[in-house]
Amino acid sequence: KNQVEQSPQSLIILEGKNCTLQCNYTVSPFSNLRWYKQDTGRGPVSLTIMTFSENTKSNGRYTATLDADTKQSSLHITASQLSDSASYICVVSVTGGSYIPTFGRGTSLIVHP
Amino acid sequence: GAVVSQHPSRVICKSGTSVKIECRSLDFQATTMFWYRQFPKKSLMLMATSNEGSKATYEQGVEKDKFLINHASLTLSTLTVTSAHPEDSSFYICSAAPGIYEQYFGPGTRLTVT
Repeated sequence: KNQVEQSPQSLIILEGKNCTLQCNYTVSPFSNLRWYKQDTGRGPVSLTIMTFSENTKSNGRYTATLDADTKQSSLHITASQLSDSASYICVVSVTGGSYIPTFGRGTSLIVHP
Repeated sequence: GAVVSQHPSRVICKSGTSVKIECRSLDFQATTMFWYRQFPKKSLMLMATSNEGSKATYEQGVEKDKFLINHASLTLSTLTVTSAHPEDSSFYICSAAPGIYEQYFGPGTRLTVT
């Protein structure tokens, strides 16, 4: 069964600190992995998207890594800001057949001043 | 960039009435559109997948007669919640996929059934 597991479930950090969110998946055959940021009461917004051959991708203070061999990804947030408080969702898609991505449950990040 | 809109953003309706939510891809054509439901502090739950011009594929446990989905064009999909009840109150989010590589989400619609 295709699954995407995210950790931690929630995280509280102080403004200015760095943090790393984890995503492990069993989805196969792998097509791409995406990280989204979802603010409360809003739709998810894409941060990064990586295919099998990509190991790292950055978007401003967000850097995602992918290890397709161990089926793990991480999202690193540098110099956190209050506006980073949100839910971060890892989504993995398969190749071929119907295109239905598998969602992780998300990591809730709270940044305190 | 790719933009997906939803209308309305918020709706309050009385129990027993029907509510229609629109999802539009504004600057691209979406071969596939998805409808999700999200409860507070929970992850998105896929309700159905629709391709333009064909019937939607509903996830297990989602009543197709309760949640009517129409994907009339490559830029528009609608979700109609029929005979709404308070337990249908939720945050509904659509997404549109121009291909198999990316998926763009709408801003969501907050439905409250009184």
